[in-house]
Amino acid sequence: GESVGLHLPTLSVQEGDNSIINCAYSNSASDYFIWYKQESGKGPQFIIDIRSNVGEKKDQRIAVTLNKTAKHFSLHITETQPEDSAVYFCAASWGGKSTFGDGTTLTVKP
Amino acid sequence: SAVISQKPSRDICQRGTSLTIQCQVDSQVTMMFWYRQQPGQSLTLIATANQGSEATYESGFVIDKFPISRPNLTFSTLTVSNLSPEDSSIYLCSVEAGSYEQFFGPGTRLTVL
Repeated sequence: GESVGLHLPTLSVQEGDNSIINCAYSNSASDYFIWYKQESGKGPQFIIDIRSNVGEKKDQRIAVTLNKTAKHFSLHITETQPEDSAVYFCAASWGGKSTFGDGTTLTVKP
Repeated sequence: SAVISQKPSRDICQRGTSLTIQCQVDSQVTMMFWYRQQPGQSLTLIATANQGSEATYESGFVIDKFPISRPNLTFSTLTVSNLSPEDSSIYLCSVEAGSYEQFFGPGTRLTVL
C-alpha cells in the first residue's frame, strides 16, 4: 500500500516570510498529488493539486512542486499571512484512491 | 466544487449506543467517502459509499460496526454502532469532484462517555 508522510509536524514562520511544507510518498505509481488546508473546527479544504506529468503549479501565493525521482512534493506559500495558519495535509492518489499524510501545523507569527 | 453539510455537528453519546451521521451534498455525486480523524491526526478512510450498491470498507472497518446507507446521489449516512470511548473522534464525509480532489463536510465531533 501507499504511505504518505510529512517531514515536519510543525512549522512556525514570521508574517511575510515564505513557507515550504514537504511531503514524501512511497508508491511510484501515484499520479496525482493534493494539498489540503484544515482550519480549527472545519473539514479539510482543497487548495492545490498537481499531476505526475507536471513539475510545478502555481495559484497566486500558493505553489506545489513535484520531484518524482525523490518521491516527494512540496507546498510553497509566498509571503505567509496570519490567515495561512492552519494544519496542512498532503495526499497522494493512485487508482482513484487517496492516501493522506499526517498534518503539518503552520503557525504564522505577526 | 460541492457544498457539503453534516448533521449533527457534535454529539456526546453513552457507551453501547449508536450514532447516525447524515451527509448532504448540494449536487449529485457518484462517490462519497467517510473518514475518521482522531484529534491532531490525519484522516483514515472508513469506506466508500456508492449509490445503488453496498459500501466498500477499508481494512479494519466492518459493516456491522459502521453501517452506511446511500439512498440517492446527494445523501449518505454513517452509523457508528455499539459505541465505546475509542470511537471518540471526528467523522467526515467527502465527495470527489472532477479529478481526485475531494470536498469535505465540516465534520461531526463524537464523544463517547
